[in-house]
Amino acid sequence: SSELTQDPAVSVALGQTVRITCQGDSLRSYYASWYQQKPGQAPVLVIYGKNNRPSGIPDRFSGSSSGNTASLTITGAQAEDEADYYCNSRDSSGNHLRVFGGGTKLTVL
Amino acid sequence: QLQLQESGPGLVKPSETLSLTCTVSGGSISSSSYYWGWIRQPPGKGLEWIGSIYYSGSTYYNPSLKSRVTISVDTSKNQFSLKLSSVTAADTAVYYCARLTPNCSGGSCYDYWGQGTLVTVSS
Repeated sequence: SSELTQDPAVSVALGQTVRITCQGDSLRSYYASWYQQKPGQAPVLVIYGKNNRPSGIPDRFSGSSSGNTASLTITGAQAEDEADYYCNSRDSSGNHLRVFGGGTKLTVL
Repeated sequence: QLQLQESGPGLVKPSETLSLTCTVSGGSISSSSYYWGWIRQPPGKGLEWIGSIYYSGSTYYNPSLKSRVTISVDTSKNQFSLKLSSVTAADTAVYYCARLTPNCSGGSCYDYWGQGTLVTVSS
């Protein structure tokens, strides 16, 4: 199986731009999807595919990928963006196996 | 609007089997376009993928849990279920069910989630 590695914590000043990264071998072949989780709530999909947002997700959220690294960028971070963020992708050893990154705690200062 | 709802005991004794059901409403579990999955989150920790099932019954499990996990589907009830055997305190977690769309604009994504249910393993 493969792993996805995320920085445990990242902080950003209100209104500034922050990038959250996810590294793993499987990302060379498959796109990551990104999930936002606030305390006591279920995860919510925020980015999928090359760079797509579900309905209702603000356009300040964007995604990108290069080599073995996927990135989630928040341009103009808001207080309500403070949350845990997880990446997810297929496992490099099998199309139907999945793996989550360890999560990144985003603090908006 | 698709909705998923987990149900099952909130307390399970060590060495016993954890059993949860996810009821899908607002859509058919028999659609060939989706998979259905279980994900868990121990208190204060990250998300862990448990496994997925297709409406046909094909299953895919996390290798680290494979020997203890069984996921099944009941299309007549629009439900899928999780059984985890020989549980220990390490299996205490919030368990989520979710829909996996394998073709999310070139990627794949869990686009609908249940609210989650806390299962505590304790005697």
